[in-house]
Amino acid sequence: KQEVTQIPAALSVPEGENLVLNCSFTDSAIYNLQWFRQDPGKGLTSLLLIQSSQREQTSGRLNASLDKSSGRSTLYIAASQPGDSATYLCAVEERVNTDKLIFGTGTRLQVFP
Amino acid sequence: DVKVTQSSRYLVKRTGEKVFLECVQDMDHENMFWYRQDPGLGLRLIYFSYDVKMKEKGDIPEGYSVSREKKERFSLILESASTNQTSMYLCASNGGGSNQPQHFGDGTRLSIL
Repeated sequence: KQEVTQIPAALSVPEGENLVLNCSFTDSAIYNLQWFRQDPGKGLTSLLLIQSSQREQTSGRLNASLDKSSGRSTLYIAASQPGDSATYLCAVEERVNTDKLIFGTGTRLQVFP
Repeated sequence: DVKVTQSSRYLVKRTGEKVFLECVQDMDHENMFWYRQDPGLGLRLIYFSYDVKMKEKGDIPEGYSVSREKKERFSLILESASTNQTSMYLCASNGGGSNQPQHFGDGTRLSIL
């Protein structure tokens, strides 16, 4: 059974730092991997989707990489800002186009001025 | 922009009541999903639907049912609410086709007393 793990559970950094969030999954037969952001008391916002054939995706200050063989993905945030404070979740879509996502429990990020 | 609207942000009900949670999306998406989110457990899929009048069980369907009479609306029903159904409920949708990110509503925080 697929399991998705995110470490650390919480992270606190000063503004301006570059940082890396980690996501690992146990079964490499995934269709895609997605990163989401969740603000307190809100729903999830899609940040990046990496297809199984891709190695990375970029959007602004965010860069996500995928290494299927080792079961790992990283989300790199450049020049962090207080507005980046949120919980970041990764999720994998199992097998071919089922649209079913398996979520990690998230990394809660705080960026302080 | 895709908008997924959940009818209530907060809801308080009593054990044994029949509870309806409503979700509407405005992007003509084929797929709709209901999740619950609990601390330490992350998001878990309850039910999803690929089309009108179609439904599929997710990972934790017990105690729940769903209805999709129109494409834009997906309802989650707690047949006889119990205290262990106190949770944050999140609705999501995405288009048909491969590698489509899911778009989430802001959630309904449901308390069963």
